[in-house]
Amino acid sequence: QLNESGPGLVKPSETLSLTCSVAGGSIGAYNYYWGWIRQSPGKGLEWVASISYSGSTSYNPSLASRVTMSRDTSKNQFSLRLSSVTAADTAVYFCSGDEYSASWYAYWGRGALVTVSS
Amino acid sequence: EVVLTQSPGTLSLSPGESATLSCRASQSVSGTYLAWYQQKPGQAPRLLIYAASSRAAGIPDRFSGSGSGTDFTLTIIRVEPEDFAVYYCQHYDSSLFTFGPGTTVDIK
Repeated sequence: QLNESGPGLVKPSETLSLTCSVAGGSIGAYNYYWGWIRQSPGKGLEWVASISYSGSTSYNPSLASRVTMSRDTSKNQFSLRLSSVTAADTAVYFCSGDEYSASWYAYWGRGALVTVSS
Repeated sequence: EVVLTQSPGTLSLSPGESATLSCRASQSVSGTYLAWYQQKPGQAPRLLIYAASSRAAGIPDRFSGSGSGTDFTLTIIRVEPEDFAVYYCQHYDSSLFTFGPGTTVDIK
């Protein structure tokens, strides 16, 4: 099970921070892969970032200058930080994972709506 | 960068009919890294198909995937009421994910 948490409202130019708590699997266990995908209201899915069991990260090139994904294996959590947010970053943010492949995600959180507004 | 195009944008069907959804890549890709998801309103996406043709755990066998190169297909045989949703294809390459824009399957 994956569960997103974090502020639902962020001011423009500030930093969006979300955490995904994982139950039922160790985020650092071999061959586990984790990610963040977002969905703007009424729009499609957009990949944001991924992290592997070894801690290596990859980012959507269009967001790379503002995104940081990290993990805390002691808490079995991984996190997303997106800086200098604008209204265009308003979206439902899903955390996701898979225990076999880096190429798709079988496990998903319910999503967290983050609104960027003053 | 691979761009995925899905067609049709919307498919209107009656329960019991079959659905054929297309996902086309802007360049030839390996089917090993092609997946399909289903998303219903207010819910997270659900993995249906991975590696182009393998069904994910718990997915009914009325869902099947096929294709290679630039053209991939998701087929739903005898659509059930719970299958009306948006379907996305997704590709993975060099640590980057790309999603298609989605096909909406709605009730005629």
